[in-house]
Amino acid sequence: SAVISQKPSRDICQRGTSLTIQCQVDSQVTMMFWYRQQPGQSLTLIATANQGSEATYESGFVIDKFPISRPNLTFSTLTVSNMSPEDSSIYLCSVRGNSGNTIYFGEGSWLTVV
Amino acid sequence: SQQGEEDPQALSIQEGENATMNCSYKTSINNLQWYRQNSGRGLVHLILIRSNEREKHSGRLRVTLDTSKKSSSLLITASRAADTASYFCATDRYNFNKFYFGSGTKLNVKP
Repeated sequence: SAVISQKPSRDICQRGTSLTIQCQVDSQVTMMFWYRQQPGQSLTLIATANQGSEATYESGFVIDKFPISRPNLTFSTLTVSNMSPEDSSIYLCSVRGNSGNTIYFGEGSWLTVV
Repeated sequence: SQQGEEDPQALSIQEGENATMNCSYKTSINNLQWYRQNSGRGLVHLILIRSNEREKHSGRLRVTLDTSKKSSSLLITASRAADTASYFCATDRYNFNKFYFGSGTKLNVKP
């Protein structure tokens, strides 16, 4: 398994500002994923972040709104840009285990936009 | 959701009873996994079943997979109040290296 730390765990943000979420893994992993979970909803995949290449975004998500960095095999950031109340969600970082079949999650970053 | 639906959306049972949750998905898969989430926290991996497997057990958990119907079920036997959580299935689409989640079942186990 992998231990994943996310920062911040919780924040209240002003409308129109941007916030960067950090994800640190205790081992080197190839594939990292960012998910959004809106209140009372399931997880929606935002993008896949592989080291050394541009992030791949799912339909409905764009780089200008959710820029992602993946500078090395243990770290990634997701920025939520120009936030609106609709962006209030839990943002979860996850990694694919080196066995390839299981994904592991951080505790999530709970953002409230006011 | 991006991949499928789960039912029921919510389930309330008494401690000691069994809880069954169902997951349906849309595309061919390599694996299906079940996760638990407590109160909006991170997800905990429970069990993985491969597309060539039909049933798998882990402690009080029993998972079945029917690829012809594109569906899976999670059975929790002898439930406990600590099992109260939301449960999600996740699939990795065949030949895609990413995971999509079902809509989830919110389980409440009353002591």
